[in-house]
Amino acid sequence: NAGVTQTPKFQVLKTGQSMTLQCAQDMNHEYMSWYRQDPGMGLRLIHYSVGAGITDQGEVPNGYNVSRSTTEDFPLRLLSAAPSQTSVYFCASSRDRGEQYFGPGTRLTVT
Amino acid sequence: GQQVMQIPQYQHVQEGEDFTTYCNSSTTLSNIQWYKQRPGGHPVFLIQLVKSGEVKKQKRLTFQFGEAKKNSSLHITATQTTDVGTYFCAGKRGSQGNLIFGKGTKLSVKP
Repeated sequence: NAGVTQTPKFQVLKTGQSMTLQCAQDMNHEYMSWYRQDPGMGLRLIHYSVGAGITDQGEVPNGYNVSRSTTEDFPLRLLSAAPSQTSVYFCASSRDRGEQYFGPGTRLTVT
Repeated sequence: GQQVMQIPQYQHVQEGEDFTTYCNSSTTLSNIQWYKQRPGGHPVFLIQLVKSGEVKKQKRLTFQFGEAKKNSSLHITATQTTDVGTYFCAGKRGSQGNLIFGKGTKLSVKP
């Protein structure tokens, strides 16, 4: 099993550009989530999904969209990148909101 | 909203010294999880505590969940350089609630 995979590992965007961060898991987990990690701020929940076709907002959802068309994939879309979205983004999955398995992360810089 | 406070933010110790990080919630938690993140890495699950007053041990690590299920601690005995990283607690309110992460305690160990 590959676990949770994320692409790309690094990305630099200009203000106003859009992009999609990819996340996939091969553990058949129903629950998936996106977090952002900023220095001194811990992990903050952006969006989450409890299963295919179901998504909901977390603590900091503004500027981001998600969709969950399959159990395996949970992409995160930045609609119009802003410097405040410079961060490290982690995708995670879990079977029943228990132990979370994190991907390796995407380091995003918005200039 | 629900907050999970974690102290200290940083801890510098000499190898062989003990280390403790504390986690406090403003509300009763259904369970609490602990994660470790190595520098440049992603969070990795360590343990989950569910019962009031629960104590669990993993080699040199001791985890406690308070009687009121509002606080928790992680204690490392005789730290080693391999313990370096940031330790996060994450609390959940209710069986269907999302995890709320503390801001983490960054541990450095001087050999």
